[in-house]
Parts: sequence; structure tokens; C-alpha cells
Amino acid sequence: AQKITQTQPGMFVQEKEAVTLDCTYDTSDQSYGLFWYKQPSSGEMIFLIYQGSYDEQNATEGRYSLNFQKARKSANLVISASQLGDSAMYFCAMRGGTSYGKLTFGQGTILTVHP
Amino acid sequence: DADVTQTPRNRITKTGKRIMLECSQTKGHDRMYWYRQDPGLGLRLIYYSFDVKDINKGEISDGYSVSRQAQAKFSLSLESAIPNQTALYFCATSDLAAGFPVTGELFFGEGSRLTVL
Repeated sequence: AQKITQTQPGMFVQEKEAVTLDCTYDTSDQSYGLFWYKQPSSGEMIFLIYQGSYDEQNATEGRYSLNFQKARKSANLVISASQLGDSAMYFCAMRGGTSYGKLTFGQGTILTVHP
Repeated sequence: DADVTQTPRNRITKTGKRIMLECSQTKGHDRMYWYRQDPGLGLRLIYYSFDVKDINKGEISDGYSVSRQAQAKFSLSLESAIPNQTALYFCATSDLAAGFPVTGELFFGEGSRLTVL
């Protein structure tokens, strides 16, 4: 079974600053995938970034990067140069090798960007 | 039009009523999922289906049933709704065979907000 933990219920950041959203995971699978999704106040789920367990480099997508520390089982999302539109709920999720296809989600972190 | 469409988007009903949430997709994916979202709990898997003849329970299937009518259609039913089934429900699809790298990314519908009074 997989478990995802997001320990920050809420985070605040100043516009144009960088922010890190924490995510730790637990799995006994050797092969797995880690995801981050954004949920704006409108409710839709927007895929941001993916990291495979065998990927040696941290994933990056524009202003998003995933700080993958395999030994610590952490997959933190880093948002650089925050924008007001980044204010949203952020979910970390994982796909285990033995639960191929299903994603397990964390509790979410609400990010508020201040002008 | 959205690739994954859920109907209804909002529904208010009373305890004991039967409710069906419908999901259709144009992505051609074989795998479909139903999740519910509750504050502080994230998204939890209710049921999933890897093809038309395959239905599997997720972590919170009690009180729910599903039907995979076709590759593109996956509906969720609450036979006798209760207030603690008030939540935001998401349908999602994935296709692990498509693209490289294979990520297993889920593609979500816009959500169905259900309130049970």
C-alpha cells in the first residue's frame, strides 16, 4: 500500500518569491511515480509535474520543479517566482508499481500568494 | 468540449434517495476511476475499471456501486444517499500505454458536487 503525507495545511508566499510545498511518501514498491496536481478555487484538477522513481534528475516544468530525495522518501514541489494565479490547493500523489494505474493522494496544501 | 465530462455538476438530494453520477470521456482511455474529495482528506478512490469487463473496489467503496457501460462511460451510483456522502466527486481516466515517458497521469473531469441533506 502507498501513503502520501502533506504536513502543511496552508502556506503563504509573497508574489515573486519561491515556495516549497512538502510531500513525503511511503511505499514498498521499487518502481513508482510521483505527481503534483493543482486545484484552483474553480475546482478542476490540473496536472503539474511527474517524477519517476528511477529518474536520476529532478523533474522540471516551467516554474515548477520537483525536489526528489529518494532516500528520504520526499517529493517536494518548488514553485519559483510565485504569481497571484498560483493561489490554489496543491495535491501530491503517487502511483505504485503494484497498483499500476491507481493514484494515492495526500491531504493537500492550500497556497496563498500575497501581492 | 472537455475530454472527461461529468454530469450533473451540482446536485442536492435528500437522505435515502438514489443518485447516479455519470462520466463520459473522449480520450479513448481504457482506465477509468471515481474519486471523492473531502476537506482535509484529499482524494480517495471509490472504484476503478481497467476495461469494460473489469470493475474493482477502491479504498472507500461501501455505499457506492458503479457501471462501465462502454469504454467511454463509467457511472457511479449511491443507492441510498446519506449525509456523509456529501462531497466533491471526480471521474478520471488514464492510459498507461500512451506516450513516453509512461507516467500514468490521471485526466480529471470537472467534478460533481453532491450535497445530501
